[in-house]
Amino acid sequence: GAGVSQTPSNKVTEKGKYVELRCDPISGHTALYWYRQSLGQGPEFLIYFQGTGAADDSGLPNDRFFAVRPEGSVSTLKIQRTERGDSAVYLCASSLGFGSHNEQFFGPGTRLTVL
Amino acid sequence: GEDVEQSLFLSVREGDSSVINCTYTDSSSTYLYWYKQEPGAGLQLLTYIFSNMDMKQDQRLTVLLNKKDKHLSLRIADTQTGDSAIYFCADEGSQGNLIFGKGTKLSVKP
Repeated sequence: GAGVSQTPSNKVTEKGKYVELRCDPISGHTALYWYRQSLGQGPEFLIYFQGTGAADDSGLPNDRFFAVRPEGSVSTLKIQRTERGDSAVYLCASSLGFGSHNEQFFGPGTRLTVL
Repeated sequence: GEDVEQSLFLSVREGDSSVINCTYTDSSSTYLYWYKQEPGAGLQLLTYIFSNMDMKQDQRLTVLLNKKDKHLSLRIADTQTGDSAIYFCADEGSQGNLIFGKGTKLSVKP
């Protein structure tokens, strides 16, 4: 079966531009998480969806970041007015359920470079 | 806030045991995890331990948990060159989101 997929695998953009990063979770997984991994760091939580709604967006660094999951499956992370500090690998994970000990399956990530 | 700390590097010889250590701050964690990240690959769940356990063994992997000291370790027996990777300790946040350490880069020398 297919795992979590993310597109694009690499994205290079210029400072100030808008980008969208896509995540296709494993079919049937209700929970979806976005993380950001900067160079030399562990992944940091950004936002979590339970179905279509964002259950916890406390990890989003500021209002330039937004994510949607309109049909409870595919999710898009949107970054407005990108800054060089946004350069990182953006990871998506999905799990069958939500809450404690539902194994999260990670995608390969999108490497975002802001010039 | 919740925090997870790990040493950044570990170098061992092939065939030796590797021990990767981690400390965490959230005493309410129900599960603690070890993930592996290889270059160009996604994060892979290696093993986990329930917080009321002291030890869990899974083939070459042994996880030890000292809940009093909030200390977690991962032992890899008979380390192979294929074990070279970055290993992340992770705690659970209130929504089931994972809180990762910075990762320990394991280098295995032949």
